[in-house]
Amino acid sequence: EIVLTQSPGTLSLSPGERATLSCRTSQSVSSSYLAWYQHKPGQAPRLLIYGASSRATGIPDRFSGSGSGTDFTLTISRLEPEDFAVYYCQLYGSSPPWTFGQGTKVEIK
Amino acid sequence: EVQLVESGGGLVQPGGSLRVSCAASGFTVGFNYMSWVRQAPGKGLEWVSVIYSGGNTYYADSVKGRFTISRDTSKNTLYLQMNSLRPEDTAVYYCARDGGGWEPHYYYGMDVWGQGTTVTVSS
Repeated sequence: EIVLTQSPGTLSLSPGERATLSCRTSQSVSSSYLAWYQHKPGQAPRLLIYGASSRATGIPDRFSGSGSGTDFTLTISRLEPEDFAVYYCQLYGSSPPWTFGQGTKVEIK
Repeated sequence: EVQLVESGGGLVQPGGSLRVSCAASGFTVGFNYMSWVRQAPGKGLEWVSVIYSGGNTYYADSVKGRFTISRDTSKNTLYLQMNSLRPEDTAVYYCARDGGGWEPHYYYGMDVWGQGTTVTVSS
């Protein structure tokens, strides 16, 4: 089973700053299978990025995804107050299980 | 409107059973992959199970043999039957429309989620 490792565990930033979140896989994977989600307390998770770099419907363009092989990145270009949340990467595969990273919390500095 | 609404969570004793439901509107459950994902208190997201549009089912090792995913196409509803429950199964359970299977070798992510239903396993 492929393991997803996200870093850092917590990112302390101010509104307006740039956030760079990392997701590393334990072996090379297809970028077509990598998704990112935002999760706030008491709410359902929200799909941000699929196929490593495609924004989901309604997602602002300050969110972008990139990467290939074993290294993937979610970038938030300028943090808005509503962006402070926990972010997860997720890997799909030709057969289950699907796997989530352990999450990166983006908190207000 | 595309929507998922979970129900059926509650308090159950260790070793007990519970079935949670996920009613869909705005799309057809039977035409999509559908997943269950959970979040234990203070923990991250954990994928639990998926049912393919063709009916194949798969489970995380942590629930295999104890949980059963199913759907009722006449009710457009997804289910998760949970037996032999353990305290470590305590979590918020989310259902999600899963974008696997829409296109070969491409994944569109879990794009529609329910609000979650809380399952507490405790004596």
